[in-house]
Amino acid sequence: GAVVSQHPSRVICKSGTSVKIECRSLDFQATTMFWYRQFPKQSLMLMATSNEGSKATYEQGVEKDKFLINHASLTLSTLTVTSAHPEDSSFYICSARAGGREQYFGPGTRLTVT
Amino acid sequence: AQSVAQPEDQVNVAEGNPLTVKCTYSVSGNPYLFWYVQYPNRGLQFLLKYITGDNLVKGSYGFEAEFNKSQTSFHLKKPSALVSDSALYFCAVRVSGGSYIPTFGRGTSLIVHP
Repeated sequence: GAVVSQHPSRVICKSGTSVKIECRSLDFQATTMFWYRQFPKQSLMLMATSNEGSKATYEQGVEKDKFLINHASLTLSTLTVTSAHPEDSSFYICSARAGGREQYFGPGTRLTVT
Repeated sequence: AQSVAQPEDQVNVAEGNPLTVKCTYSVSGNPYLFWYVQYPNRGLQFLLKYITGDNLVKGSYGFEAEFNKSQTSFHLKKPSALVSDSALYFCAVRVSGGSYIPTFGRGTSLIVHP
């Protein structure tokens, strides 16, 4: 099956700093990638959808200037949390899709902002 | 519009007993239905999906789900639960021919007791 990786799997950063999370499709070209946020014991909340080479589409209520998404190639998308605060601490999951195929999910990144 | 309901926050079952995790959905059109499993601090793993055809869908790890159009349900089942099945289970739906972005239920925690 299709494999999606995320790096890092876990990151701790200080309040006010920025942190970048990478999402890679390892064995297929992902025309579309998705970024989700998951709070403890809650469902996935779609943050944004990104298509290779174009600007990401953010869901309502998600600050685009805070959560910068770049989909620079067909195998890589990055999410940068800028000026992170403790309330940004969460589990971030990406997924990738190629053409008409279903989404394949990455293993997630645990962000802790101290 | 599309929505998913998982009415149970938690399901407890003894090892060796059959298990059922409930899911009902609402879509404007024909549904595509999915089940995913999430282990602690991990991303989502695909279990099975219903697109069309046989209402009983068989998936990974011995799980199956039955699509019931009249009851708008897609309950996940397994004849004999294992302790290792303990995890968080998500049902998801999207409408055929529409956006490829599914809507997730809030998740059901399955606990299998030895």
